[in-house]
Amino acid sequence: KAGVTQTPRYLIKTRGQQVTLSCSPISGHRSVSWYQQTPGQGLQFLFEYFSETQRNKGNFPGRFSGRQFSNSRSEMNVSTLELGDSALYLCASSALGGGGQETQYFGPGTRLLVL
Amino acid sequence: AQKITQTQPGMFVQEKEAVTLDCTYDTSDQSYGLFWYKQPSSGEMIFLIYQGSYDEQNATEGRYSLNFQKARKSANLVISASQLGDSAMYFCAMSFDSWGKLQFGAGTQVVVTP
Repeated sequence: KAGVTQTPRYLIKTRGQQVTLSCSPISGHRSVSWYQQTPGQGLQFLFEYFSETQRNKGNFPGRFSGRQFSNSRSEMNVSTLELGDSALYLCASSALGGGGQETQYFGPGTRLLVL
Repeated sequence: AQKITQTQPGMFVQEKEAVTLDCTYDTSDQSYGLFWYKQPSSGEMIFLIYQGSYDEQNATEGRYSLNFQKARKSANLVISASQLGDSAMYFCAMSFDSWGKLQFGAGTQVVVTP
């Protein structure tokens, strides 16, 4: 089975712009979670989607949004970029996204640099 | 509130030696999952091992084993016979009854030397 894929792998944007990142989960996985990783804050949960519905959300401003398509592929969007949005954005997939026991498998990440 | 603590920011280990990475957690939940992930400099998070809170036996996966002590709320990762390719950041993570959400510790940087 192919793993989780993320595109693009690298992005450079300027403040005020918006960006869209894409994630394709492992075939058969219906849950996609997004995380932001920065040196200062570590790994933080952004949101989770299952069957095109957002079921869970972390503590991020409304500039961070996402969606999921019927084929389980997911996108996240960041509007009005700030310097602090520079980070590695990781997406992870699991079969059902159930808490406690399901393993999440991660993609290679998208490195976003905001200038 | 749940908290995961990895007290070792970094460590050096010689090739072929075993290394133990510490992870302690604080939660009042009885049902949870414990995970260890490896993150090489490339950035991808690689799943290593899983332990459920109700599992009575410690999990093992090849050279990785998890020393789970529930009463002490610790879930240490043991890597046996370290290899140069084991040099990476290692994260302890937990999941609770929360859709698709993992909580991570700060990580431990491991450098394996010849």
